[in-house]
Amino acid sequence: AQTVTQSQPEMSVQEAETVTLSCTYDTSESDYYLFWYKQPPSRQMILVIRQEAYKQQNATENRFSVNFQKAAKSFSLKISDSQLGDAAMYFCAYSVISGNTPLVFGKGTRLSVIA
Amino acid sequence: ETGVTQSPTHLIKTRGQQVTLRCSSQSGHNTVSWYQQALGQGPQFIFQYYREEENGRGNFPPRFSGLQFPNYSSELNVNALELDDSALYLCASSFPGSQETQYFGPGTRLLVL
Repeated sequence: AQTVTQSQPEMSVQEAETVTLSCTYDTSESDYYLFWYKQPPSRQMILVIRQEAYKQQNATENRFSVNFQKAAKSFSLKISDSQLGDAAMYFCAYSVISGNTPLVFGKGTRLSVIA
Repeated sequence: ETGVTQSPTHLIKTRGQQVTLRCSSQSGHNTVSWYQQALGQGPQFIFQYYREEENGRGNFPPRFSGLQFPNYSSELNVNALELDDSALYLCASSFPGSQETQYFGPGTRLLVL
């Protein structure tokens, strides 16, 4: 079974600084997707960034980028120029490539941004 | 474009009762998935509906059931509620051909007393 592990229950960062959230996963599949979702206190899960495993290039979305290390099964999220609005729970998630594609989530990392 | 919506936002039930939660998928999306998120945990997959049929199920008992309608909206029904069913229930929808990328609604917070 696929598992996703987020080893940092909580992280904090100064406003305008950079922070990296860690995620590792376990799978025997060669093709899959990885995601980072943000869940602010409003509870809505918001897609931050997506990475296809077959792509060697790391995904980037504005201030958010990932470091995808397929051999190490590692998928970290880097947030640059952190803003107060980045404060939230961040979940790493995995999905196989198939017709039935449930997301498997980690337990999350709570990010605090200090003004 | 309207995003995923869920109703109600909050709900309080007593043990043994039944509950129905509703989800309207994002425009153009034909696949709906339901997740249960207990306090302090990541979401757990309950089941997925595609073209009105269940298309995969997680490790949840049969008292968790669902429906998908022709307009791709969906319901989650839970019978014989237990205290451990207290959680945030999230609905997510996805585009045809891109079912791995799921867009979530705001969730329904269920409290079972």
